[in-house]
Amino acid sequence: QQQVKQSPQSLIVQKGGISIINCAYENTAFDYFPWYQQFPGKGPALLIAIRPDVSEKKEGRFTISFNKSAKQFSLHIMDSQPGDSATYFCAAGGATNKLIFGTGTLLAVQP
Amino acid sequence: DSGVTQTPKHLITATGQRVTLRCSPRSGDLSVYWYQQSLDQGLQFLIQYYNGEERAKGNILERFSAQQFPDLHSELNLSSLELGDSALYFCASSPGGAGLYEQYFGPGTRLTVT
Repeated sequence: QQQVKQSPQSLIVQKGGISIINCAYENTAFDYFPWYQQFPGKGPALLIAIRPDVSEKKEGRFTISFNKSAKQFSLHIMDSQPGDSATYFCAAGGATNKLIFGTGTLLAVQP
Repeated sequence: DSGVTQTPKHLITATGQRVTLRCSPRSGDLSVYWYQQSLDQGLQFLIQYYNGEERAKGNILERFSAQQFPDLHSELNLSSLELGDSALYFCASSPGGAGLYEQYFGPGTRLTVT
């Protein structure tokens, strides 16, 4: 019940395209869903986060879509750029404040 | 730059040894979290401290321990090291308290056990 399932494992997108990464969770006690971006040799950087009272949150080219009934959420990267090439992690958290991370998606944006 | 600092950046040691990893949270943050990142296990939550007290525990081995000091910096102690302990260890911090979940990660410490 504590797992967060993330797909795909890897993704190749052309420059200017849309990158979509999906996550699913089981524990309905989760009420905080962040996305992190990690470059090689660096720590994960908080990208964008959503709470279950909204179905979508947009920050620049990054959008989270949230489906509470399906217990799924996704990250959309619009107009993907080579600089977006990184590993993306979804996570879920709740009252305990600890985050359960997905397994990560390696995104490569080809010029 | 998240404002979270970790030292050392790299650590190479032998099996059976003990090491200490250090973390300084962002200014004003009361909560510190430790995570382990390895290729086969991904990012795993180890332990959380809030204002000096242990708040939550994850998959932390008995050989590992942590503490948070009055100045809010934290240390993660790893003892009787095994080859499988080789990983990236991240510290994250957040303001803490109810409803404040944003966690900001440090640059990590890469531990290699030979």
